[in-house]
Amino acid sequence: SQQGEEDPQALSIQEGENATMNCSYKTSINNLQWYRQNSGRGLVHLILIRSNEREKHSGRLRVTLDTSKKSSSLLITASRAADTASYFCATANFGNEKLTFGTGTRLTIIP
Amino acid sequence: EADIYQTPRYLVIGTGKKITLECSQTMGHDKMYWYQQDPGMELHLIHYSYGVNSTEKGDLSSESTVSRIRTEHFPLTLESARPSHTSQYLCASSRSGTGNTIYFGEGSWLTVV
Repeated sequence: SQQGEEDPQALSIQEGENATMNCSYKTSINNLQWYRQNSGRGLVHLILIRSNEREKHSGRLRVTLDTSKKSSSLLITASRAADTASYFCATANFGNEKLTFGTGTRLTIIP
Repeated sequence: EADIYQTPRYLVIGTGKKITLECSQTMGHDKMYWYQQDPGMELHLIHYSYGVNSTEKGDLSSESTVSRIRTEHFPLTLESARPSHTSQYLCASSRSGTGNTIYFGEGSWLTVV
């Protein structure tokens, strides 16, 4: 089964609002990454947070990591129509070089 | 911008045909992957390689096969395509080591009729 589970599965918000997506995982991780996928395209890496970090920022993106709860959140501030995409979290586990992807959140920004 | 390329982007073929999806990367990455993804669904790892002459089955069983004769090239072959193989196939690569960023190609959409 997938390591990461995103919540919600789908999210629709008005342009300009903030979007928050959550990811839960099951085992200890080396790092956690967020990827974006536009419809019909490949995935693009957004941000990586290591297990010893609690928060990371990149432009309008803010990622938090709570290893005690085995969860992470991705916040997109001041959303734009171009942010419409699916967002996946991926975990890197110790001793396993493969990333494990979650189920994804489909984000729709309404102009 | 990722330097990983997949061809063809779209392919419609008849049942029983043999097809090869091409994937090449120019980043010198040792690790390469093939994922299968149905529309709007999660990704499933079907094959991976840690270097030349190294190939492993992924988490999802697949009737496809792969080869890694050159570092930059990781083709996927279906000997006899079936409608159940209709899906998007995503090729990806990364540097060796744990938890490195994965770079994806644009995907190959396969439809078997």
